[in-house]
Amino acid sequence: AQSVTQPDIHITVSEGASLELRCNYSYGATPYLFWYVQSPGQGLQLLLKYFSGDTLVQGIKGFEAEFKRSQSSFNLRKPSVHWSDAAEYFCAVGSPSGGSYIPTFGRGTSLIVHP
Amino acid sequence: DSGVTQTPKHLITATGQRVTLRCSPRSGDLSVYWYQQSLDQGLQFLIQYYNGEERAKGNILERFSAQQFPDLHSELNLSSLELGDSALYFCASSAAGTSNYGYTFGSGTRLTVV
Repeated sequence: AQSVTQPDIHITVSEGASLELRCNYSYGATPYLFWYVQSPGQGLQLLLKYFSGDTLVQGIKGFEAEFKRSQSSFNLRKPSVHWSDAAEYFCAVGSPSGGSYIPTFGRGTSLIVHP
Repeated sequence: DSGVTQTPKHLITATGQRVTLRCSPRSGDLSVYWYQQSLDQGLQFLIQYYNGEERAKGNILERFSAQQFPDLHSELNLSSLELGDSALYFCASSAAGTSNYGYTFGSGTRLTVV
């Protein structure tokens, strides 16, 4: 069965600093990988996704992620963090289940941004 | 506004009761997915419906059931409620039967069982 690990429960950065959120997955085949963001009191919003092709994918809000098959990782990055980026970030891996593809979500990383 | 509408936003009920959560998918989306989010379990997939039929099942308790109606809205029924059922319940939708292209989530229903 597939699984996703987000090793960092909390990450604190200063506004304007760079950011990298880690995600490791376990899945036998080529995975479908996602990053979602959840602001307080809101549902999850898709930031970006990877299916195949270029291993560096660009998403919304200035985020990007790099798929590294050798490390089973799909880390999320942003060169300069804004205070509005403070939120919970979820990595997910999609795999087939009964004819559908259901993502398994990590436990999330809470991003705190200091002014 | 994501286009996925969930009602009610908040629900407080007593143990042993039954509640119904409602979800209207984004216009044009045929699939509806239900998730439960709690501090101890994280985001857990419950069930998927595609165009009115059950498509995939996750960690859904027997006390819980769902359906998708001809107008594509979905309802999640939770019965014999226990304190541990207190959680955020999210609905998500996607255009096709697969979620490979990502979901659109609603803003959730917060259920508190007292």
